[in-house]
Amino acid sequence: DAGVTQSPTHLIKTRGQQVTLRCSPKSGHDTVSWYQQALGQGPQFIFQYYEEEERQRGNFPDRFSGHQFPNYSSELNVNALLLGDSALYLCASSFKTGGYTDTQYFGPGTRLTVL
Amino acid sequence: AQKVTQAQTEISVVEKEDVTLDCVYETRDTTYYLFWYKQPPSGELVFLIRRNSFDEQNEISGRYSWNFQKSTSSFNFTITASQVVDSAVYFCAWSFQKLVFGTGTRLLVSP
Repeated sequence: DAGVTQSPTHLIKTRGQQVTLRCSPKSGHDTVSWYQQALGQGPQFIFQYYEEEERQRGNFPDRFSGHQFPNYSSELNVNALLLGDSALYLCASSFKTGGYTDTQYFGPGTRLTVL
Repeated sequence: AQKVTQAQTEISVVEKEDVTLDCVYETRDTTYYLFWYKQPPSGELVFLIRRNSFDEQNEISGRYSWNFQKSTSSFNFTITASQVVDSAVYFCAWSFQKLVFGTGTRLLVSP
């Protein structure tokens, strides 16, 4: 049973560019959450997708957007990249039960460097 | 708003020592979940344990044990007889829908 997968592993972009990160959830999971982890910090919640809609959002600007596909996979898009967007981007999958998001399992992350 | 505090930034121990990682949380919710994740140098967050707010029973899994006390809003994690492979950053987190993480405790176990 494959775990959460993310692509690409590493990415280097320049300021002002746009980037798309991809995530495939664990088999049986229907919810995908995205987190940003700056160096030396804990992960920060960006947003969560369930039934192809954004259900919750953290304190991130509109430059961060996402999408969930019918097969539950997800994309994170970041426009107009800033140096401060350099971080490890983590995807986590889970399933919803009774309105609660069950245990989230994480992928290996995408390391984004903005020059 | 929910908040998780891990006051210990870094802990260094020698192999076979016991070590306790502290976690204190703040929330006004009555239903919530608490987690511990391990992040080795590879970067992937590895799930260790989940407890719900109604279950204060302590849990032991091999060399790992967890002490949940609602009265002090703490959810501490103890590793008994630490090993070099335990070296990692450990995160405590609060959740109902989204995970709210602490800043992590870096554990270094030397031989």
